[in-house]
Amino acid sequence: DTAVSQTPKYLVTQMGNDKSIKCEQNLGHDTMYWYKQDSKKFLKIMFSYNNKELIINETVPNRFSPKSPDKAHLNLHINSLELGDSAVYFCASSQTFPNTGELFFGEGSRLTVL
Amino acid sequence: AQTVTQSQPEMSVQEAETVTLSCTYDTSESDYYLFWYKQPPSRQMILVIRQEAYKQQNATENRFSVNFQKAAKSFSLKISDSQLGDAAMYFCAYREYGNKLVFGAGTILRVKS
Repeated sequence: DTAVSQTPKYLVTQMGNDKSIKCEQNLGHDTMYWYKQDSKKFLKIMFSYNNKELIINETVPNRFSPKSPDKAHLNLHINSLELGDSAVYFCASSQTFPNTGELFFGEGSRLTVL
Repeated sequence: AQTVTQSQPEMSVQEAETVTLSCTYDTSESDYYLFWYKQPPSRQMILVIRQEAYKQQNATENRFSVNFQKAAKSFSLKISDSQLGDAAMYFCAYREYGNKLVFGAGTILRVKS
């Protein structure tokens, strides 16, 4: 049973399109995250939700909109895709209590914008 | 802002030998977590080892151990008896309680047979 699952794992699309990536965790965690890994492998946080409430919102273009319908799901919608959005997007989750600090990651979704 | 620095973009080690990956971080906090994550070509992020700042004892997990120097803000990873399966990108990461996980730029580890 996959703990943190993302769909799709690969996504190829044209500039200007809108796309979504979905994430689900079955660990019972209360906090979920989106991280972006660029072509140089650098990982940077984009958003974090705790019990459906947005708690971290880094400097990300408005074209990116996260949505958390419940604490087990966190989706990422991207409007008007640009070439620079090409990256691997990782979903992750963690538990506030007991707090081990550890984040559990999904397998990543590789987005390629042509 | 907290920063994590990995000064070695790439390292190589002979199979069965020992290698140490370096990491330094910057923080004004006294309580926090430090991690080493491994990312093989499959791109899955795998936790290798975790250290809580209030614990003086260095964490160990089988062949993996850390040298945690709190005053120096240093957190190096030692891999003993290196195996081909250890070849991957290794990320050092820092996290304050209830806050985001901040990653270093990563170190590519190559294992030679």
